[in-house]
Amino acid sequence: QQQVKQSPQSLIVQKGGISIINCAYENTAFDYFPWYQQFPGKGPALLIAIRPDVSEKKEGRFTISFNKSAKQFSLHIMDSQPGDSATYFCAAMPQYSSASKIIFGSGTRLSIRP
Amino acid sequence: DTGVSQDPRHKITKRGQNVTFRCDPISEHNRLYWYRQTLGQGPEFLTYFQNEAQLEKSRLLSDRFSAERPKGSFSTLEIQRTEQGDSAMYLCASSSDRGDKNIQYFGAGTRLSVL
Repeated sequence: QQQVKQSPQSLIVQKGGISIINCAYENTAFDYFPWYQQFPGKGPALLIAIRPDVSEKKEGRFTISFNKSAKQFSLHIMDSQPGDSATYFCAAMPQYSSASKIIFGSGTRLSIRP
Repeated sequence: DTGVSQDPRHKITKRGQNVTFRCDPISEHNRLYWYRQTLGQGPEFLTYFQNEAQLEKSRLLSDRFSAERPKGSFSTLEIQRTEQGDSAMYLCASSSDRGDKNIQYFGAGTRLSVL
């Protein structure tokens, strides 16, 4: 049972273009939605995160759009650069767990073409 | 570097052998997590420690798996009688319950290959 569904599985974008990754969830008990970036041979690193009480959060070239009624959220990377090539995971964290465990999507492998 | 460190980075073992991994969290972090990541998938939660207490375990953590954090600092994850299905990247993360407890910092992982 996949609690956070992510698409696409892989994405190729030209340098300077916009990269868009989409995620959906079912469990309304989730109350924190982080995005993680993972480079080969490294662990995931927090990129940006949002809570469901806001519809958008922007940090530099990275923006999360959040639609609470549709239970969907997406990551937009503006002016995509070759250094952005990595695997991106959307995630959710349930408020019912004292462990603050992260529930990850399946990942999107992003390649930025020079 | 004061991040989360994991040892070894790679482990190759034969089916049926026991293996043990170590995780050293960020020094001031009292929360420690283990995750497992298989190829092409996102990490999956295995277990969580608050100080030395193991407070939550996933159903993924079969009885062949055991994790400890004896003094509330480093942690070990042991897999007994390894199976080929145990091949994966084992990630450790840590966080603090002060400030934003939602932010977890990950180590680079231990890649286990069971032959």
